[in-house]
Amino acid sequence: GAVVSQHPSRVICKSGTSVKIECRSLDFQATTMFWYRQFPKKSLMLMATSNEGSKATYEQGVEKDKFLINHASLTLSTLTVTSAHPEDSSFYICSASWGGSTDTQYFGPGTRLTVL
Amino acid sequence: KQEVTQIPAALSVPEGENLVLNCSFTDSAIYNLQWFRQDPGKGLTSLLLIQSSQREQTSGRLNASLDKSSGRSTLYIAASQPGDSATYLCAVLMNTGFQKLVFGTGTRLLVSP
Repeated sequence: GAVVSQHPSRVICKSGTSVKIECRSLDFQATTMFWYRQFPKKSLMLMATSNEGSKATYEQGVEKDKFLINHASLTLSTLTVTSAHPEDSSFYICSASWGGSTDTQYFGPGTRLTVL
Repeated sequence: KQEVTQIPAALSVPEGENLVLNCSFTDSAIYNLQWFRQDPGKGLTSLLLIQSSQREQTSGRLNASLDKSSGRSTLYIAASQPGDSATYLCAVLMNTGFQKLVFGTGTRLLVSP
C-alpha cells in the first residue's frame, strides 16, 4: 500500500512554455502533499506544502507565480511550471501523507524536466 | 535553520565490506530521522525511520543509530553488495508542528564486485 505515482516521468519542453506535473496517491487519501526539487548530485529541497482544498504554502525563495500548485482532491496534486526556462530544468519529486503532523510521507518516482 | 550534512559525499568499497555512513544535523528539535535510498534518476525508498526517543533501528543488513543530543546518526551496512550501490540520504522531520522534512546532502555509494 501507500503508492504515489507521478506523471510524466520525463518531459522536455521549449523555453517559455508551461509544463504540468501530476502527483497521485493511488491507494490512500492524501490530505497533504509536498513538492521537492532536486538539482544534479544535490539533495532534495522542499518547494511547497499543499493541503487539499487550500492554498499551498511555499518555502522561502520559491516563486509562487512560477510554480503553481493545485491540490484539488485527496488523491491528486499538480505542479505547473509556468513560462519555463532552462534554469527550471531539474528533478521534481512529490510526496503524500494522510495528513497528521507527523505522518509518514510516501514519495513518488520523480519527474525529470528539461527545458531547452 | 536546520542543516543536515552527510559524510562522506562519496564512497567506493569492494563487495563484502562493512561500512558506515554519517549524518549530522544542527538543530536537535526533531521528531524523527529517516534514511532513504535513491537510485539514479529514481525516487526515494525509505530504509529506516528512527523516532527521536529511539536509539537505533535495524532492518536486515542495515542498522541506523541516532544520538539526538549530539545531532548525529549513522547508517551501518553489513556485508555490502553491488546491489547496495546508490545514493543514501538522511532526512530529519522537524518538530515544528508541521511535517517539514529536511534532507542531507547525500552519500553516493559504489560497491564493486
